[in-house]
Amino acid sequence: EIVLTQSPGTLSLSPGERATLSCRASQSVSSNYLAWYQQKPGQAPRLLIYGASSRATGIPDRFSGSGSGTDFTLTISRLEPEDFAVYYCQQYDRSPPTFGGGTKVEIK
Amino acid sequence: QVQLVESGGGLVKPGGSLRLSCAASGFTFSDYYMSWVRQAPGKGLEWVSYISSGRTLDYADSVKGRFTISRDNAKNSLYLQMNSLRAEDTAVYYCARDFPRFDYWGQGTLVTVSS
Repeated sequence: EIVLTQSPGTLSLSPGERATLSCRASQSVSSNYLAWYQQKPGQAPRLLIYGASSRATGIPDRFSGSGSGTDFTLTISRLEPEDFAVYYCQQYDRSPPTFGGGTKVEIK
Repeated sequence: QVQLVESGGGLVKPGGSLRLSCAASGFTFSDYYMSWVRQAPGKGLEWVSYISSGRTLDYADSVKGRFTISRDNAKNSLYLQMNSLRAEDTAVYYCARDFPRFDYWGQGTLVTVSS
């Protein structure tokens, strides 16, 4: 199965700053079948990005995804208070679909 | 709007069984693949199972032979029958729309396997 490694484990930033989250795959993810989810404490995950760079319905344009092959990035251009959460990447190129271990974005 | 509401979680002894349900609304249930994804306490996400509208299905290796997914399109409902439960099955179980990407999630139901 494809293993996804997310870095850093924790990102400490202030509101208004830019967040850059990394997701590296153990094998190439073809057709950019890579998604990003946001999860807040006690809540279900929410789909943010699919196809590596397409925003899901209702997701603000401060969230953007990029990358291809084995290296993918989620960027939050200017952090809002509600953006402090855990973010997971997920590949859906090959079965089983797998998730990264998550990056926690916390308030500095 | 899309709503997914899970139920059926609880405390069960190792080796026991539990049946989870997911009630769907706000979309044409029969048109979509449906999935179960779980999250152990303080851990990451793990896909468990999916079922297509045509009842094609699959399972993660960790639950194959013990869990059974099913759906009732007339009742807009998804189910997960869990048998031979182990301590490592302890998790919040989420119902999610679609596969292999998950575009809407329920709030989850907690399953605790402990003696």
